[in-house]
Amino acid sequence: VQLQQWGVGLLKPSETLSLTCAVSGGPFSGFYWSWVRQSPGKGLEYIGGMLHGESATYNPSLKSRLSISIDTSKQHVSLRLSSVTAADTAVYYCARGVVVGGTYLFDYWGQGTLATVSS
Amino acid sequence: EIVLTQSPATLSLSPGETATLSCRASQSVGTSVAWYQQRPGQAPRFLMYDAVKRAADMPARFSGSGSGTDFTLTISSLEPEDFAVYYCQHRDSWPMFTFGQGTKLEV
Repeated sequence: VQLQQWGVGLLKPSETLSLTCAVSGGPFSGFYWSWVRQSPGKGLEYIGGMLHGESATYNPSLKSRLSISIDTSKQHVSLRLSSVTAADTAVYYCARGVVVGGTYLFDYWGQGTLATVSS
Repeated sequence: EIVLTQSPATLSLSPGETATLSCRASQSVGTSVAWYQQRPGQAPRFLMYDAVKRAADMPARFSGSGSGTDFTLTISSLEPEDFAVYYCQHRDSWPMFTFGQGTKLEV
């Protein structure tokens, strides 16, 4: 399973961050396709995710600015974060959410995309 | 909201030694804890699930223990590639996932 992601890396405040993650080498349905970000020098923050056929779910702290969608035909997962500020500067990862044993976790990750917000 | 607190923030050891990393949950989470390893410039890598079970292909020197609120990741006979940042994670009330703040294992 491979997750290959891309998107614009440099944004100005108030712009919209758009990222796409392409999934290959494994099934697409039945997994919780998610986004996790990591601010410079910081830990991991869950952003949101989506199961095919269901509504996306979001971190409440970002919900008003966030949109996650999936295109099953292309096996793509997309993220849009509007009205970005410097606080949104981070490496953004797409990840595959799955239940393993009794634990809901992320077993495959994209390579990460650095999004920098600067005027 | 469940908070995961990891300690220590930084652990300084030498190759061949044993590392003991702690993750404490603000309330009981049973055994539903995963651990990840993140090397510099890389994405996190899934290591452990159900607190005590290794992911496929993970070396036996990695072991986990704990249940309820206290969890431990132990890495015995440290190899050079083991020096990285380690995170614990739990799925909180849907749809939230919570990560600890990480422990940096350094030489």
